[in-house]
Amino acid sequence: GNSVTQMEGPVTLSEEAFLTINCTYTATGYPSLFWYVQYPGEGLQLLLKATKADDKGSNKGFEATYRKETTSFHLEKGSVQVSDSAVYFCALSDQINFGNEKLTFGTGTRLTIIP
Amino acid sequence: DGGITQSPKYLFRKEGQNVTLSCEQNLNHDAMYWYRQDPGQGLRLIYYSQIVNDFQKGDIAEGYSVSREKKESFPLTVTSAQKNPTAFYLCASSPLPGQGAGELFFGEGSRLTVL
Repeated sequence: GNSVTQMEGPVTLSEEAFLTINCTYTATGYPSLFWYVQYPGEGLQLLLKATKADDKGSNKGFEATYRKETTSFHLEKGSVQVSDSAVYFCALSDQINFGNEKLTFGTGTRLTIIP
Repeated sequence: DGGITQSPKYLFRKEGQNVTLSCEQNLNHDAMYWYRQDPGQGLRLIYYSQIVNDFQKGDIAEGYSVSREKKESFPLTVTSAQKNPTAFYLCASSPLPGQGAGELFFGEGSRLTVL
């Protein structure tokens, strides 16, 4: 079955540091890959996505590249801010197998940015 | 504004009682989902529905029930058969496959605590 493995947290960084959160996946078919973000007390919202190999998703200074050869979709940001403190979820959607948007999520990585 | 509304935001229940969590969307999405979130476990799918009057079990459906009588509404009932119901519950929706490329739109969640 499908699975997503992401870097365990919590991760604590100083403001303006470089961020990487690792994500690898196992899937049959041709999955789309996503990063969702959850701010304290809220639901999840889509941060970025990539639908095919070598695609790069980007939003709000975050980037992730769909690497089929390493089955990875690592999240990066060059200079983090306090407002980036949240829980980040990597996810995949394999429409060929499921025929719907039944996403498989990783366990989440809590990120805290210190001023 | 279009979006997903979950209520109540916080709910306390005594053991042995059933409770119903409300989820309403005005995005005109066909598919709706219920996820459960526990610390360190990410999101797990409880039920999903692709069309009115039809729904499917997810990975952890035992002790839960749903209905989909209207396109806009997908309430979740947590029954007394659910052994460990204290959790954060998230409702989501999406267009049908091929239209949204896997993106889910989430509500802000309902936190259920069993006393």
